[in-house]
Amino acid sequence: GAGVSQSPRYKVAKRGQDVALRCDPISGHVSLFWYQQALGQGPEFLTYFQNEAQLDKSGLPSDRFFAERPEGSVSTLKIQRTQQEDSAVYLCASSRAGGLYGGELFFGEGSRLTVL
Amino acid sequence: GENVEQHPSTLSVQEGDSAVIKCTYSDSASNYFPWYKQELGKGPQLIIDIRSNVGEKKDQRIAVTLNKTAKHFSLHITETQPEDSAVYFCAARSRNTGKLIFGQGTTLQVKP
Repeated sequence: GAGVSQSPRYKVAKRGQDVALRCDPISGHVSLFWYQQALGQGPEFLTYFQNEAQLDKSGLPSDRFFAERPEGSVSTLKIQRTQQEDSAVYLCASSRAGGLYGGELFFGEGSRLTVL
Repeated sequence: GENVEQHPSTLSVQEGDSAVIKCTYSDSASNYFPWYKQELGKGPQLIIDIRSNVGEKKDQRIAVTLNKTAKHFSLHITETQPEDSAVYFCAARSRNTGKLIFGQGTTLQVKP
């Protein structure tokens, strides 16, 4: 597609439910990133994929968070047993290059998660 | 780890005036400094970036300066227009970790 596509755009979950957020990066982009953006804050790094390999997951806040990119294109961020503090916008970004010098990041519009 | 501080948190200017947003970073291994504009309900969009081997870069009404010694960089917007109103984020990427670390954001309001 023309840009990074994320779905759903809005998700309301009851505390304790599992959620799955999808990211469809720009075609051919090697690198894919997930960020968490709390209200009024800057995005915070969660995890990074180069193709299908998850090279860095140091930003995932707990073992309830899990991300995958099995075929090196679409990625899913899964949050198990959601808590109120998980409420945030989850941003996905992709870049053409791989490695530490990933180049310009192109962001999607985000998935806004509200946990009641 | 890397920390990026951004000031001010809010900035209000009259149309046509200049706006300056400043950031400092902590990791001396940082070598890439992008600036993003985020409009309500949208994802961040890159507006300009600078690498550590360059001191200044300009693109029409937008310029960025970098002082590696002091570890700070700034965004300058001249001749501001109402459509410049948005939240602006600075970021820094360390060549060691590759992670892009964002500042806290500046809400810019340009009054007509």
